[in-house]
Amino acid sequence: NAGVMQNPRHLVRRRGQEARLRCSPMKGHSHVYWYRQLPEEGLKFMVYLQKENIIDESGMPKERFSAEFPKEGPSILRIQQVVRGDSAAYFCASSHRGTGELFFGEGSRLTVL
Amino acid sequence: EDQVTQSPEALRLQEGESSSLNCSYTVSGLRGLFWYRQDPGKGPEFLFTLYSAGEEKEKERLKATLTKKESFLHITAPKPEDSATYLCAVRSDNTDKLIFGTGTRLQVFP
Repeated sequence: NAGVMQNPRHLVRRRGQEARLRCSPMKGHSHVYWYRQLPEEGLKFMVYLQKENIIDESGMPKERFSAEFPKEGPSILRIQQVVRGDSAAYFCASSHRGTGELFFGEGSRLTVL
Repeated sequence: EDQVTQSPEALRLQEGESSSLNCSYTVSGLRGLFWYRQDPGKGPEFLFTLYSAGEEKEKERLKATLTKKESFLHITAPKPEDSATYLCAVRSDNTDKLIFGTGTRLQVFP
């Protein structure tokens, strides 16, 4: 199965700790998107990356959140000093050459205690 | 600002009872309207892309249509396995990201 792979699927952190979420795009895809979903809410765009470049980070909170997509390895969404409000499902999606048809992973569910 | 509104929020259907879901949108210039299906605890699954008014796409019991202001997802003779949340998203001509609506939660009862 060459789908979008996210890990961990579930992550529990205490307030003030760091959370790192990983995403390996589909084979052949070089565009990665991160979205956040709260219960009963829609998917909120966070950031769009290509290899080694952040293309659009208009949805990223200005503090504590960062994302990267290195030349080698998965894309990583990093949340520093987590707070309870960061508890959500974080979805990664990939596309081929920015076609707009996004293929999503199963998500990483972050719980902050 | 690009915006997507879906209605109804929730829909309960008897098996075989056809209906439609609505997606109204406001974008600076449409570069694609997308429908996704999301099952509980799963990631969204791509269904359709529509690019211009008048375009229609079909897949099994689902048919998506597009006008200049809205899109409909028609479900013909639904089955319980069609129960899911259906998400609509748009891509405008000044960005590569998709803007999603909050979805319609569909339940089909036998």
